[in-house]
Amino acid sequence: DAGVIQSPRHEVTEMGQEVTLRCKPISGHNSLFWYRQTMMRGLELLIYFNNNVPIDDSGMPEDRFSAKMPNASFSTLKIQPSEPRDSAVYFCASSFAAAGGRDTQYFGPGTRLTVL
Amino acid sequence: QKEVEQNSGPLSVPEGAIASLNCTYSDRGSQSFFWYRQYSGKSPELIMSIYSNGDKEDGRFTAQLNKASQYVSLLIRDSQPSDSATYLCAVKTGNTGNQFYFGTGTSLTVIP
Repeated sequence: DAGVIQSPRHEVTEMGQEVTLRCKPISGHNSLFWYRQTMMRGLELLIYFNNNVPIDDSGMPEDRFSAKMPNASFSTLKIQPSEPRDSAVYFCASSFAAAGGRDTQYFGPGTRLTVL
Repeated sequence: QKEVEQNSGPLSVPEGAIASLNCTYSDRGSQSFFWYRQYSGKSPELIMSIYSNGDKEDGRFTAQLNKASQYVSLLIRDSQPSDSATYLCAVKTGNTGNQFYFGTGTSLTVIP
């Protein structure tokens, strides 16, 4: 299994530019999670999808952030316009939400975003 | 109150010693508990999961769960320098679908 795939691995952009991060979950998984990790705030859940439907986006910091999951094998996280405080590592994770709650999240390699 | 709390450390132990990492959680309805290891610059990697009270052993790792006291711990026996990493505790609560809550992590350094 290829695991969770994220692209790009590194992104450097200037303030005000649009940034799109991409994620391909593990085949067969039905839940997808977007996290942001910084030294100050640790790992924060931004949004998660179940069967391609957004379930909880309360962690999305502001309207500049949006996420979509058009099908079971692809998701995007978009920041428009980007700001320096958005600089962080963004992780995508996926899981298979089985009955009884015994599902496990597997993380992608992350995208390191730097906004100048 | 945070859903999941960990001592951020840093925790330093000599090589060969037992490292003990602790985590507490707030939701009594929590069902599933996980320990992830994260090396610097890498993504979190699952090392243990536990669902029932008691101990679960996997090689040098033992996870301990006490639902009455709402804590979960990870013991690493015969610690090796390669165990030096940040360890994240994650809890799947009982009332929020399949959302996981992560602690802020404990930084462990194993000194050769």
